[in-house]
Amino acid sequence: QLHVQESGPGLVKPSETLSLTCTVSGGSISSVSFYYAWIRQSPEKGLEWIGAIHYSGSTHFNPSLQSRVSISLDTSKKQFSLRLSSVTAADTAVYYCNMGRVGIDVWGPGTTVTVSS
Amino acid sequence: DIRMTQSPSSLSASVGDRVTITCRASRTITNYLNWYQQKPGKAPKLLIYGASNLQSGVPSRFSGSGSGTDFTLTISSLQPEDFATYYCQQSYSSVTFGQGTRLEIE
Repeated sequence: QLHVQESGPGLVKPSETLSLTCTVSGGSISSVSFYYAWIRQSPEKGLEWIGAIHYSGSTHFNPSLQSRVSISLDTSKKQFSLRLSSVTAADTAVYYCNMGRVGIDVWGPGTTVTVSS
Repeated sequence: DIRMTQSPSSLSASVGDRVTITCRASRTITNYLNWYQQKPGKAPKLLIYGASNLQSGVPSRFSGSGSGTDFTLTISSLQPEDFATYYCQQSYSSVTFGQGTRLEIE
């Protein structure tokens, strides 16, 4: 059974880059059908999709975040990662990693990231 | 962006009640519509995908319908564990979520 778990700093300073990693366990990460996504949630914005990478390497991003976001996939480490640059207080949220395909949808427990000096 | 609007925003109901939540898209999304359940402090859980397909392991009292711009999630007989917040999500063009419907005990 697939599990995913977010990791990374819980506190990031304004204007710096937020970096999070999602580690996959309990199954193979290597499937051409899988997508690997990041979603965040805050009281102000609710659930907000950040973007996703497909096994092929193609990426898709939320247009409102596209200029600041990158997502990468490392199948050898069974990890995928998020980088969000030039953060502000508005980027404070619970960040979730999510992977799946039709019939499979796996979420991590979430990690709180606070942007503050 | 495709805007997803859920109604109602909150709902009070009792165990055994039949409950319907509505989600409307700002333009057509064919059937690229998922429904999620979220409990406090937990990640969302997929209930319905493709507007009407029940995710494996989800009780059959949950059902989804609709296509185009109008969709519904129905819980046929509320159980105590169903009190939570429900979200619709479209994946037709990028991905966006509704604002959520909080289902509370009456």
